[in-house]
Amino acid sequence: DVKVTQSSRYLVKRTGEKVFLECVQDMDHENMFWYRQDPGLGLRLIYFSYDVKMKEKGDIPEGYSVSREKKERFSLILESASTNQTSMYLCASSLGRDEKLFFGSGTQLSVL
Amino acid sequence: GQNIDQPTEMTATEGAIVQINCTYQTSGFNGLFWYQQHAGEAPTFLSYNVLDGLEEKGRFSSFLSRSKGYSYLLLKELQMKDSASYLCAVSDLSTDKLIFGTGTRLQVFP
Repeated sequence: DVKVTQSSRYLVKRTGEKVFLECVQDMDHENMFWYRQDPGLGLRLIYFSYDVKMKEKGDIPEGYSVSREKKERFSLILESASTNQTSMYLCASSLGRDEKLFFGSGTQLSVL
Repeated sequence: GQNIDQPTEMTATEGAIVQINCTYQTSGFNGLFWYQQHAGEAPTFLSYNVLDGLEEKGRFSSFLSRSKGYSYLLLKELQMKDSASYLCAVSDLSTDKLIFGTGTRLQVFP
């Protein structure tokens, strides 16, 4: 089974801090994604990557950046955390385009 | 633009059948996914439809009509463990993205 591992289940940060959310998958998947999930808004795509060193903006990239230096690792960076970035962050990977997503268990980030 | 609509909440009784609808509007439709998400957990894949028609997988079936921009997830012989959110997601060719609906929270009562 594919395993997608997110480094933290819960995280509390202060406004203005730089935050790194790490995601690692162990099945050699080409594609990786970062979503945030908020009540009433569903899953919204922040950034995605279809190859190493490649990144594409999703629907809500403002305030975020990503890094994919290795195929198995896709990091989400909040340059200067703000309270409106308090959310559940979900990382996912897939073997190819239009293939099913495998999700990590999520990181609940609280920015105070 | 893209728009995906599904009901916010539904309730049903154990042993019954429930149908969760999803309508969508996209510039370039490529396929539709259904995911299940239990509270506090990550979504897990249920089904994928590309062509019109019904795909059956045990107690769960998914239907797609491309011309109508419509899909439904059918859950039979409901069990308490089916209480979860069900997410409809559309693969959009024009944007090369997978876009999720806001999800339908299903509660199954004894």
